[in-house]
Amino acid sequence: DIQVTQSPSTLSAYVGDRVTITCRASQSISNLLAWYQLKPGKAPKLLIFDASKLESGAPSRFSGSGSGTEFTLTISSLQTDDFATYYCQQYSSYCPWTFGPGTRVEIK
Amino acid sequence: EVDLVESGGGLVQPGRSLRLSCEDYEFTFGNYIINWVRQAPGEGLEWLGFIRSKTDGGTTEYAASVKGRFAISRDDSRRIAYLQMNSLKAEDTGMYYCTRGHYSSGWGQGALVTVSS
Repeated sequence: DIQVTQSPSTLSAYVGDRVTITCRASQSISNLLAWYQLKPGKAPKLLIFDASKLESGAPSRFSGSGSGTEFTLTISSLQTDDFATYYCQQYSSYCPWTFGPGTRVEIK
Repeated sequence: EVDLVESGGGLVQPGRSLRLSCEDYEFTFGNYIINWVRQAPGEGLEWLGFIRSKTDGGTTEYAASVKGRFAISRDDSRRIAYLQMNSLKAEDTGMYYCTRGHYSSGWGQGALVTVSS
């Protein structure tokens, strides 16, 4: 099975900061990685798919990059609405598909 | 924006069964993989499995944690997918979501399942 790790597990930042979250897969998954935002009591929201494509309706301050085994999600200027938990997920041709353990973004 | 609606959650005793439903309002429902994902209390997201479109064979894949106990099916004419959960355990407690597509572009609000005696 492909293992997916994320770092950091928790991130404290100020509004306006540029933040980066890293996701690593235990073997190459090409660009078959997505990023999601979770807030308590709300349905999860897709932000990025195919590693770098912005989902329709997602704010342009979110961007994704990477391929193979290492990927990043960047928020160019953190907004109050962005304080949430972020998960990456690989959906390669190798099942089972797996989520990373999550990164909680907190207000500093 | 909620694209899918899960139902059928509730309180169930260990060892019993429960079936969740997922109704999709997307007219092209039949073209998509439908996934089931859960979040246990205080935990992260866990992918449980998916069912392929009929065009791709309608076959299923499952996570090891639920393989042999859970089964996913679909009724494209009604735009509904199902998650049949058997031999439920306390650790199956959580919020269950259905999602549409390889990269889960559509999510429901979830169905809460509590397994407890």
